[in-house]
This record gives sequence, structure tokens and C-alpha cells, in this order.
Amino acid sequence: QQQVKQSPQSLIVQKGGISIINCAYENTAFDYFPWYQQFPGKGPALLIAIRPDVSEKKEGRFTISFNKSAKQFSLHIMDSQPGDSATYFCAASIDSGYSTLTFGKGTMLLVSP
Amino acid sequence: SAVISQKPSRDICQRGTSLTIQCQVDSQVTMMFWYRQQPGQSLTLIATANQGSEATYESGFVIDKFPISRPNLTFSTLTVSNMSPEDSSIYLCSASSFGGTEAFFGQGTRLTVV
Repeated sequence: QQQVKQSPQSLIVQKGGISIINCAYENTAFDYFPWYQQFPGKGPALLIAIRPDVSEKKEGRFTISFNKSAKQFSLHIMDSQPGDSATYFCAASIDSGYSTLTFGKGTMLLVSP
Repeated sequence: SAVISQKPSRDICQRGTSLTIQCQVDSQVTMMFWYRQQPGQSLTLIATANQGSEATYESGFVIDKFPISRPNLTFSTLTVSNMSPEDSSIYLCSASSFGGTEAFFGQGTRLTVV
């Protein structure tokens, strides 16, 4: 049973556009929701994360929107750049202290020049 | 932050053999994990490597197939035993500290079994 559902599987955005990736979770005990960015041949790297006590978190061009009642959260990449082309994974965990993450299936983002 | 080094970065192995992957963290961490990632797919947790005790395995993964060691707070190994082509995958080491909010990942080991 997949506990974190991510969509779309792939995404093509023009340079300067907005990239939006969505995730939905089932387990209401999840209390930590990070997004990871992975370039080919590299391990995932934390991009931005949010906890359920806030509805939005912004870091530079990256914003997480969180809807606790709908059990959904999304990543918005503003002014998308070719260097943002990577695979993005949403994830969730119950106890962030132990960081046992459940990952979504990933979204392959391509930002065209 | 923590920097995680994995060795080897890639290997091609014969079926029936075993490969041990090493994971070294540049600072003491509480938790270390091993994940498997099929090419183009998501990450699946294999086990949590516990320092000084047996690893905790996720459903579908067993110690005989994936023995794990963690002799200290900065080092762990994962062995893929009696390999078959189905074991071809990327294996990732991850680490975090209790109370910390970030899990760090190594660059992965790309394993091909022929």
C-alpha cells in the first residue's frame, strides 16, 4: 500500500514558468513533509520541508503548500530554470527525529530553455 | 550537515556472489539507513542500521539476504548476498541525528548483476 501518492510522474515546463508537483498522504500520524531533489548519479538532497502547523513555507523560488484537512501538499517552483531539471520526491515521516521517510514515486522535471 | 561517502560507486557482479557496500559519515549520527532505488523509481527502505545491535528490516527484506553492520556511529556496511539480476539497483545510505529534521544521503552505489 502506497502511503504517499505523487503526481505527475513527469513534467515539462518552459524556462520562467511555474512547476507544480502534488502529493497526497493517507497516514494522519505523519508530521514532517520534506521534498528531496535528485540529480542523475547523485543521492537525494533535502530541498525544503514543512510541518502540519503551517500552511505554507517559502524558501527562495521554492514553496510548499500544505492542506492538512485534504491530506495534501505540493511543491511550487517559481521562475523555473533549466538547472532545476531533476527528479523531485515528496516524503513523509511520523517522527522526524528518526527520519524514517516514506517516499512518493518521484516526478521527473524538465525545464526547457 | 553531514557528508556521506559510499564505496563503491558502482560495480558489476556475477550472479551468486556477494557485494559489500560501505558507508562513511563525516560526523557522528544517531540513525543510519539503507535504501534501494530501482532506476527511475522511488526509494524503498531496506533497513535501519542500529549501532551495536541487529539492524531493523522492513517487510520484504531479510538479514540473510542483506546483512548489515554498524560498528560505530559513523560507519555502516550493507552486503547484498547471493546476488541475482533482480538485485540490480542503486543502493543508498542515509543518515540523520535524533532531533534533526534532515536525512542526508550518499551518492549511491549502482549495482549491476550479470
